[in-house]
Amino acid sequence: AQRVTQPEKLLSVFKGAPVELKCNYSYSGSPELFWYVQYSRQRLQLLLRHISRESIKGFTADLNKGETSFHLKKPFAQEEDSAMYYCAMGTNAGKSTFGDGTTLTVKP
Amino acid sequence: GAGVSQSPRYKVAKRGQDVALRCDPISGHVSLFWYQQALGQGPEFLTYFQNEAQLDKSGLPSDRFFAERPEGSVSTLKIQRTQQEDSAVYLCASSLGRGLPGYTFGSGTRLTVV
Repeated sequence: AQRVTQPEKLLSVFKGAPVELKCNYSYSGSPELFWYVQYSRQRLQLLLRHISRESIKGFTADLNKGETSFHLKKPFAQEEDSAMYYCAMGTNAGKSTFGDGTTLTVKP
Repeated sequence: GAGVSQSPRYKVAKRGQDVALRCDPISGHVSLFWYQQALGQGPEFLTYFQNEAQLDKSGLPSDRFFAERPEGSVSTLKIQRTQQEDSAVYLCASSLGRGLPGYTFGSGTRLTVV
């Protein structure tokens, strides 16, 4: 069964501290992994995808197939990073499976 | 258009009423997806269109749910005889290809069944 688990519902850090949002997945094939972000009163938007190996707004995520994880990291959190973050797994079939999200709060 | 447009933004329906939710995807995006998001949860897949063809409707929770995209552009999600458990945000997303580049989401329609 396809499943995405984000173990932390809430995560709070101070500005300038490192942040890591955890994501684990289960899938028998080779999935595509994504992080989506939803800022307050805005729509859900794509943050980054593993295949691009990109860094967006200072965030990076590495796919670890051995641990079936795709954790999102940023070395120095900013207050504007406060948002809801969703990890998602896509397959060739088209649909994506989402985790239940982690609310990140960055305190001044 | 510049983004994915959904209407209405909010809908209050009496139990048993039929509702229709509209999605206008980004021009040129062949793939269109509907997701249901209950409070405190992540989006859950409902159905997927590639152009006008509905390729996957495995996520539709019952035969009261029906989606169409007759001309491969605008899509409508219809819910018949709404129930309280249908209360959720309904998200539409469009994508190039099969969605693997990632989705562009609309703002969603918040449906409340009373």
